[in-house]
Amino acid sequence: SQQGEEDPQALSIQEGENATMNCSYKTSINNLQWYRQNSGRGLVHLILIRSNEREKHSGRLRVTLDTSKKSSSLLITASRAADTASYFCATDRASGSRLTFGEGTQLTVNP
Amino acid sequence: GAVVSQHPSWVICKSGTSVKIECRSLDFQATTMFWYRQFPKQSLMLMATSNEGSKATYEQGVEKDKFLINHASLTLSTLTVTSAHPEDSSFYICSAPRTGRFNEKLFFGSGTQLSVL
Repeated sequence: SQQGEEDPQALSIQEGENATMNCSYKTSINNLQWYRQNSGRGLVHLILIRSNEREKHSGRLRVTLDTSKKSSSLLITASRAADTASYFCATDRASGSRLTFGEGTQLTVNP
Repeated sequence: GAVVSQHPSWVICKSGTSVKIECRSLDFQATTMFWYRQFPKQSLMLMATSNEGSKATYEQGVEKDKFLINHASLTLSTLTVTSAHPEDSSFYICSAPRTGRFNEKLFFGSGTQLSVL
């Protein structure tokens, strides 16, 4: 079964708007990470939030984690056309385990 | 941040030939590297975990003899697709954790698009 599932699968917004993507997972985790992938490229790490953290910020990114609901959200504020990419959440199932990636959200920011 | 270099970026080959993809950690030593396969608009599928100086650990359903992995040094892992067929056409990506811990931040190569004719 899929450990991390993002929704929506695709999101299209106008430049300047905020974009929110959600990730749900099934088992307990030690940390949850968000990655970005531009088309035809490798992934770039955005942010890591640990299970004892509830919120984390990095520039225009805000990540929340609700371990009781087994869910996380990634908020990109004041979006730019350059934010157009696929965004993946990744979770570990136990300490030291490999990451499992979700299906991703394809974000399109229209100029 | 750490840099992982993957080469080539794209390769076209004839059916039946073998293709080697290299993944190098440029500014850190990677005792572990991961190899993934990704189909268009889909997630990453972990194929194997490459361990420096020892055998790779393959995920269930991945053919070891088909996808040969060698991790001969702390900065280089290679994936060889042997006797490639059109169904092997895909985007292959490598990654490595700088700390050596599997669940920490991963640094990714830029990917290799393989097209088998």
